Amino acid sequence: GAVVSQHPSRVICKSGTSVKIECRSLDFQATTMFWYRQFPKQSLMLMATSNEGSKATYEQGVEKDKFLINHASLTLSTLTVTSAHPEDSSFYICSASEISGGQYNEQFFGPGTRLTVL
Amino acid sequence: AQSVAQPEDQVNVAEGNPLTVKCTYSVSGNPYLFWYVQYPNRGLQFLLKYITGDNLVKGSYGFEAEFNKSQTSFHLKKPSALVSDSALYFCAVLEGGSYIPTFGRGTSLIVHP
Repeated sequence: GAVVSQHPSRVICKSGTSVKIECRSLDFQATTMFWYRQFPKQSLMLMATSNEGSKATYEQGVEKDKFLINHASLTLSTLTVTSAHPEDSSFYICSASEISGGQYNEQFFGPGTRLTVL
Repeated sequence: AQSVAQPEDQVNVAEGNPLTVKCTYSVSGNPYLFWYVQYPNRGLQFLLKYITGDNLVKGSYGFEAEFNKSQTSFHLKKPSALVSDSALYFCAVLEGGSYIPTFGRGTSLIVHP
């Protein structure tokens, strides 16, 4: 299947700093990218979806000014956690999909980023 | 509106025995259905999908799932479980015209030696 990379895999930062997470589709053009947050032993919480060249669509309850998403190209999306606090510590996962011929295809997930805010 | 349910938080099975992980869904119209697997501290991996056609779908690692329209189910199955199958399994549903799937809460599969 298609490959999605995510960087960094793990980051530890001090409270108040900003952290950028990159998500890249390596061998296909991602029409849509998704950002999820996952708490221990819990399901995925969709934070936002983004289409190349347009603003991200955030889910209810997700602060767009705190979680900045940029989808600058068909292969790259970034999530920036601004002024991170300990409650932002979590496992962040991106995924990408290609919508071709009007049909949605399965998502391909990155390996995830473990963020720890001290 | 689309929704999906995984009624079991955890499934325990002995190695070599058949396994089933349950998933039921609700959509308006025809569903697109997916199964993903997540190993500890990793992202999700795609296992299989149903879009149209044969109700029995075969996927990676020997897994298969059967689409049952009358019961609105898409249970994941494998004839003989391996210890290495132990992981978290997610079912996802998408209704036609949408591009944002809904994921189930996940089922932890534990295969005992």
